[in-house]
Amino acid sequence: DTAVSQTPKYLVTQMGNDKSIKCEQNLGHDTMYWYKQDSKKFLKIMFSYNNKELIINETVPNRFSPKSPDKAHLNLHINSLELGDSAVYFCASSQDNSGPAGNTIYFGEGSWLTVV
Amino acid sequence: QQPVQSPQAVILREGEDAVINCSSSKALYSVHWYRQKHGEAPIFLMILLKGGEQKGHDKISASFNEKKQQSSLYLTASQLSYSGTYFCGTDSYSGAGSYQLTFGKGTKLSVIP
Repeated sequence: DTAVSQTPKYLVTQMGNDKSIKCEQNLGHDTMYWYKQDSKKFLKIMFSYNNKELIINETVPNRFSPKSPDKAHLNLHINSLELGDSAVYFCASSQDNSGPAGNTIYFGEGSWLTVV
Repeated sequence: QQPVQSPQAVILREGEDAVINCSSSKALYSVHWYRQKHGEAPIFLMILLKGGEQKGHDKISASFNEKKQQSSLYLTASQLSYSGTYFCGTDSYSGAGSYQLTFGKGTKLSVIP
């Protein structure tokens, strides 16, 4: 049983399209995240949700919209895809975000997005 | 604020030792260490919560110097399986009772036969 699962794993799409990545965690965690990893391997947080509420929203274009229907799911929708959006997107979860010990992050397998 | 890792990359022969450093300009509550193998997700290795705390995980251990605001990851008698990119993450208080983990840029470790 995968703890944090995301789909699709690979996504190739044309500029201007809209796409979604789905994420689910079965760890019973309260906090979920989306991270972007670019070609230089830098792991940058995009969004953080705690119990379905948006906690962190880093400087991310409005074309990216997260949605959390419940605390076990956090989906990412991207509108009007651009070449620069090509990256690996990791969904992740942690027990909570109320202290360092609860912040241990468990990552999904990643979604490789290529915009052509 | 993003922690700074050094070195950026290191190549070792099997059996050699390596040290990866992580430092921050802000006070640290904790330091997390992760390893990411090529094409895979980052995997949690260990967390250090107290100043001076040292933890071990097989032949991989880490120390945390709260005063110096830095942590070091020690890889002893490296094995081929140690290859990957190592990230440190540091916690910072982001308000309203929430903490945010920020990762360094990573250190790429390559172990060769």
